[in-house]
Amino acid sequence: DAGVTQSPTHLIKTRGQQVTLRCSPKSGHDTVSWYQQALGQGPQFIFQYYEEEERQRGNFPDRFSGHQFPNYSSELNVNALLLGDSALYLCASSLVNQRSRYGYTFGSGTRLTVV
Amino acid sequence: QKEVEQNSGPLSVPEGAIASLNCTYSDRGSQSFFWYRQYSGKSPELIMSIYSNGDKEDGRFTAQLNKASQYVSLLIRDSQPSDSATYLCAEAGGGADGLTFGKGTHLIIQP
Repeated sequence: DAGVTQSPTHLIKTRGQQVTLRCSPKSGHDTVSWYQQALGQGPQFIFQYYEEEERQRGNFPDRFSGHQFPNYSSELNVNALLLGDSALYLCASSLVNQRSRYGYTFGSGTRLTVV
Repeated sequence: QKEVEQNSGPLSVPEGAIASLNCTYSDRGSQSFFWYRQYSGKSPELIMSIYSNGDKEDGRFTAQLNKASQYVSLLIRDSQPSDSATYLCAEAGGGADGLTFGKGTHLIIQP
């Protein structure tokens, strides 16, 4: 049973560029959420997708956008990259009606470095 | 804005002892609580979830929730060196809420 898979593993971009990160949820899961984790900090919630719609958004600017596809996979797009966007980006999936009991399963993350 | 507070540590515990990790949260509407373990350079791994007041046990781990006092704790019995990691406390409200995490507690189990 495949867990949450993310690609790419590592990425180096230049300030001002745009980046797309990808996530495939755990088999059977229908909800995908994205988190940003800076070094030494806990993950910060970016947004959550269910039924191909953004359901909730954290305190992140519009430069961060996303998409969920009919097969439940998801993309995170970040435009006009800043040095401060350098972080580990985590994707987490869950089953919408079982989140309270079983929580969220995280992927291994994408390490983004902006230079 | 929701907040989850944890002591960043490091918390040093001898091997075989009980490690006690604590977390407080600000939103009385929070419904579910989670403890994740994160090894350096790795992604968070779910250890325990709890949503009812009281204790929940799973092997060497016990999660405790007190909604009146707005705190959650995690006890690790018979601590092993492999338990050395950062432990993240997280909460979720209802609906489509994402998780709100604390900054994590760095736990060191001394052989």
